Amino acid sequence: DGGITQSPKYLFRKEGQNVTLSCEQNLNHDAMYWYRQDPGQGLRLIYYSQIVNDFQKGDIAEGYSVSREKKESFPLTVTSAQKNPTAFYLCASSITSGTGISGYTFGSGTRLTVV
Amino acid sequence: AQSVAQPEDQVNVAEGNPLTVKCTYSVSGNPYLFWYVQYPNRGLQFLLKYITGDNLVKGSYGFEAEFNKSQTSFHLKKPSALVSDSALYFCAVRDIGTGANNLFFGTGTRLTVIP
Repeated sequence: DGGITQSPKYLFRKEGQNVTLSCEQNLNHDAMYWYRQDPGQGLRLIYYSQIVNDFQKGDIAEGYSVSREKKESFPLTVTSAQKNPTAFYLCASSITSGTGISGYTFGSGTRLTVV
Repeated sequence: AQSVAQPEDQVNVAEGNPLTVKCTYSVSGNPYLFWYVQYPNRGLQFLLKYITGDNLVKGSYGFEAEFNKSQTSFHLKKPSALVSDSALYFCAVRDIGTGANNLFFGTGTRLTVIP
């Protein structure tokens, strides 16, 4: 089945530690996205990538980093510079085209907790 | 700039009654509008979208949405609510300002269907 897979489902981070969240898709989608979800704040865009080896900052990129070395993969690193990382993180992908518009396909999320 | 507002944080409805989840939008051009649903600790699932054409859009699980250009609204509706419809619902609009396929999400409305 085609889809988008996030791992792990739950992740615990110690103070000062970097952690990496995995996102893999086999949908042959060009674009991939990372969102952070906090209660009452909806989804906020962290980073997005429309093509391999290229990515752009979203609204809340500080304290996060990404890479896009393969079309299928878009890992997110939460660095020690992110002071409040406890949240639910969602990865998504979509087709991009000059005239088309499509919705997103979402992964099932990773819940990150600082301990 | 694109924006979307969901004026109700919480909507309660009795099982079997019709339900409406409200969404209003603001765009500079033609809107591309979406509804997604999220169940606890899961990613978002696509329900329906409006790009062009009929103002009444039918989607998954018996949901539909009515596009109203004069009122800049895109309310989600279902004729008869089920307990299993209880979830968090997000309205989204395409953000053409970034030149990408990005969607801008509302803050979400929690729907509770009471047995």
